[in-house]
Amino acid sequence: QVQLVQSGAEVKKPGASVKVSCKASGYTFTSYGISWVRQAPGQGLEWMGWISAYNGNTNYAQKLQGRVTMTTDTSTSTAYMELRSLRSDDTAVYYCARKPVAGYFDYWGQGTLVTVSS
Amino acid sequence: DIQMTQSPSSVSASVGDRVTITCRASQGISSWLAWYQQKPGKAPKLLIYAASSLQSGVPSRFSGSGSGTDFTLTISSLQPEDFATYYCQQANSFLGSTFGPGTKVDIK
Repeated sequence: QVQLVQSGAEVKKPGASVKVSCKASGYTFTSYGISWVRQAPGQGLEWMGWISAYNGNTNYAQKLQGRVTMTTDTSTSTAYMELRSLRSDDTAVYYCARKPVAGYFDYWGQGTLVTVSS
Repeated sequence: DIQMTQSPSSVSASVGDRVTITCRASQGISSWLAWYQQKPGKAPKLLIYAASSLQSGVPSRFSGSGSGTDFTLTISSLQPEDFATYYCQQANSFLGSTFGPGTKVDIK
């Protein structure tokens, strides 16, 4: 069965960076993309961007351009999302999700809480 | 960027009620629209993709319709497990993605 398992919770100071991993299993990793979506406490869903696991092409949300980098390691079927220059409003649960050719997300990871606090 | 709006922002309903949620895109997105259900502390779950296609394993009481800028999600007979927040999503790979602000369905 398709599974996306994310790394554990992180606490970071303002200005630091965080790198969240998402290990995929149960499907051919390079046949799909991986998207990242975050959710601040009590708020809605915010799309951050996606990456093709086939060729590494990325598409980032404009508001995060320059601060976010998404990568994949096809040898381990793992996707990564790094966010730099963290601010308090980056505190959120970060989800990875599988993305077919179309832009919807059919399987999701369990979420990783990133807390940014001094 | 394409903006998504949803109405209502919340709805109180009873078990067995028919519930309809509306989503509107700021520009035409053809049928590139998905619906998700999210329960507290859980990841979202895909219900509908391509505006009206039911995701595998999702009960048939959920249905979606629309194209262009106006879309609806209908729950034909609300069940206890359906109390949750519902999000629409603009899903055109070439335009990036945007979620609507969500509609909370709670018990009347």
